[in-house]
Amino acid sequence: QQPVQSPQAVILREGEDAVINCSSSKALYSVHWYRQKHGEAPVFLMILLKGGEQKGHDKISASFNEKKQQSSLYLTASQLSYSGTYFCGTEQYSGAGSYQLTFGKGTKLSVIP
Amino acid sequence: DTGVSQNPRHKITKRGQNVTFRCDPISEHNRLYWYRQTLGQGPEFLTYFQNEAQLEKSRLLSDRFSAERPKGSFSTLEIQRTEQGDSAMYLCASSLVTGGRYTEAFFGQGTRLTVV
Repeated sequence: QQPVQSPQAVILREGEDAVINCSSSKALYSVHWYRQKHGEAPVFLMILLKGGEQKGHDKISASFNEKKQQSSLYLTASQLSYSGTYFCGTEQYSGAGSYQLTFGKGTKLSVIP
Repeated sequence: DTGVSQNPRHKITKRGQNVTFRCDPISEHNRLYWYRQTLGQGPEFLTYFQNEAQLEKSRLLSDRFSAERPKGSFSTLEIQRTEQGDSAMYLCASSLVTGGRYTEAFFGQGTRLTVV
């Protein structure tokens, strides 16, 4: 089941902060965050696992509320290079030993000087 | 390690023709995903493999779509009797899953399919 992201788009000035939210109606095993620039492949930013472990980026942080099946990505002191579309991917158990990684529709972030 | 490699990068085909795409994952990765992405949308899950076993297929994947991963290495995605609605970017990603712990998924550059 596709996770829901909000907001759909956000415009920031350099140095401002942003929060992108991701929620699911199903229990999550993990949450993945990616950034995609126009014409390029998605690039990994952060992974948050059930139980609290996370791996990722030193300038981007994220939280994962397992009970609420929600995750938030925090972008602080934004830089022009942060511009792009951010996708959350949620990994859910879909039965018979299968875990499906499903992506939201994305949040378009534009950082302006 | 050169990352996930997809070929071809671009494919233009006439409606009704068959096309096949190839994905070479990162060598030690045992999980391989296929996604389809259209403009302004997130990657839509199509299918994934754990080693050579195809564990999940999306309902998006009609009978015209088939994927294989012989020997658990590279994978191919075939679309038969292509339709204009199949025009999209087809993305492959791979990750390593061992004992319930795993790494992030790395994406290839994709194959852009245009059906005319």
